[in-house]
Amino acid sequence: GDSVTQMEGPVTLSEEAFLTINCTYTATGYPSLFWYVQYPGEGLQLLLKATKADDKGSNKGFEATYRKETTSFHLEKGSVQVSDSAVYFCALSDRGDYKLSFGAGTTVTVRA
Amino acid sequence: NAGVTQTPKFRILKIGQSMTLQCAQDMNHNYMYWYRQDPGMGLKLIYYSVGAGITDKGEVPNGYNVSRSTTEDFPLRLELAAPSQTSVYFCASSPAGGKGANVLTFGAGSRLTVL
Repeated sequence: GDSVTQMEGPVTLSEEAFLTINCTYTATGYPSLFWYVQYPGEGLQLLLKATKADDKGSNKGFEATYRKETTSFHLEKGSVQVSDSAVYFCALSDRGDYKLSFGAGTTVTVRA
Repeated sequence: NAGVTQTPKFRILKIGQSMTLQCAQDMNHNYMYWYRQDPGMGLKLIYYSVGAGITDKGEVPNGYNVSRSTTEDFPLRLELAAPSQTSVYFCASSPAGGKGANVLTFGAGSRLTVL
């Protein structure tokens, strides 16, 4: 079945550091890929998405590129802020499906 | 616009008790979902619904039941609570199609402890 594997955390960074969170997927078809973010005490919210190969999703300074050849969707941000401290989830939905499969989540803490 | 509203936010149950987690959305979304979130395990789908009167099992349905009598409401029922059901529960919804397809809107979560 479809699945998502993302790098384990926790990840601790200093402000203005570069952030990468790795995500790879297994799917039988051509999935849509997502990054969701969960701030402390809140529900998940969509950060960005990509629906086909080579698409780049971007939002709030975060970017991720859908790489079909490596089945990856790594999340990057060039200069993190304390407000980026959160849990980040990679997710996929197979084409024609509306349910999402989530990775285990990566906790990111940014120190001032 | 309230989005997805879950109640209660916190609840402690004794083993064997039953309860219902409430979920309501005001976005006229056809699809609704219940997930549970356990530390280091990500989110697991419990049940989902594609419209009023239609529900189906997800990955981890045992010990739970749902109903969908209206588009807006999707309550999750726990029968005979067990410690293994200690978790944070999230309700979510999404539209059936268009640009928002597959984009889930989540509630703030309900933290349940079974002792």
